Amino acid sequence: DAGVTQSPTHLIKTRGQQVTLRCSPKSGHDTVSWYQQALGQGPQFIFQYYEEEERQRGNFPDRFSGHQFPNYSSELNVNALLLGDSALYLCASNQKGLMNTEAFFGQGTRLTVV
Amino acid sequence: AQSVTQLGSHVSVSEGALVLLRCNYSSSVPPYLFWYVQYPNQGLQLLLKYTSAATLVKGINGFEAEFKKSETSFHLTKPSAHMSDAAEYFCAVSDQSFNKFYFGSGTKLNVKP
Repeated sequence: DAGVTQSPTHLIKTRGQQVTLRCSPKSGHDTVSWYQQALGQGPQFIFQYYEEEERQRGNFPDRFSGHQFPNYSSELNVNALLLGDSALYLCASNQKGLMNTEAFFGQGTRLTVV
Repeated sequence: AQSVTQLGSHVSVSEGALVLLRCNYSSSVPPYLFWYVQYPNQGLQLLLKYTSAATLVKGINGFEAEFKKSETSFHLTKPSAHMSDAAEYFCAVSDQSFNKFYFGSGTKLNVKP
């Protein structure tokens, strides 16, 4: 089992550009959540996808959007990039509705906006 | 509402000494509590979790944590620090459906030889 996989591992973008990050959940998991971890801070919840719909959202602007595909994989899109969007973006997956199932995190995508 | 406070952004111990990393939580529902470790340029690795079973939870690499409801605490301990324990540690709380994690700001552990 490959666990949660994210791509790419590193990315450099220019301010104002758009970026797409990808996440494949752990086998058997149907729910994907995205987190932003700025330098020196703990991860902050962006949003969660289940059954191809956004189910919960944190305090992030509409420039942050996502998608979940029928195979449960997910994309995070960020438009009009700002320097402050530079961060490690983490994806987590779990099996919704099952108590005591663990959430697994990927290794993250390091986004640098210049 | 749920939140976590980690006391001490940096902790330094000598190799072989006790490790104590502090975490206090706030939750309006029975919490699930977690400790994660993050090595430089890597993602999060689960150390241990509390999910309303035993209040003393044992994790990987010799770490353990005790859930104290009266003190709203979930401090992480290890009897004897090893150089390989140097990393950043995050405490987190979630509801019982693992829908959303609220993380603390992290504690960087430095282990001196």
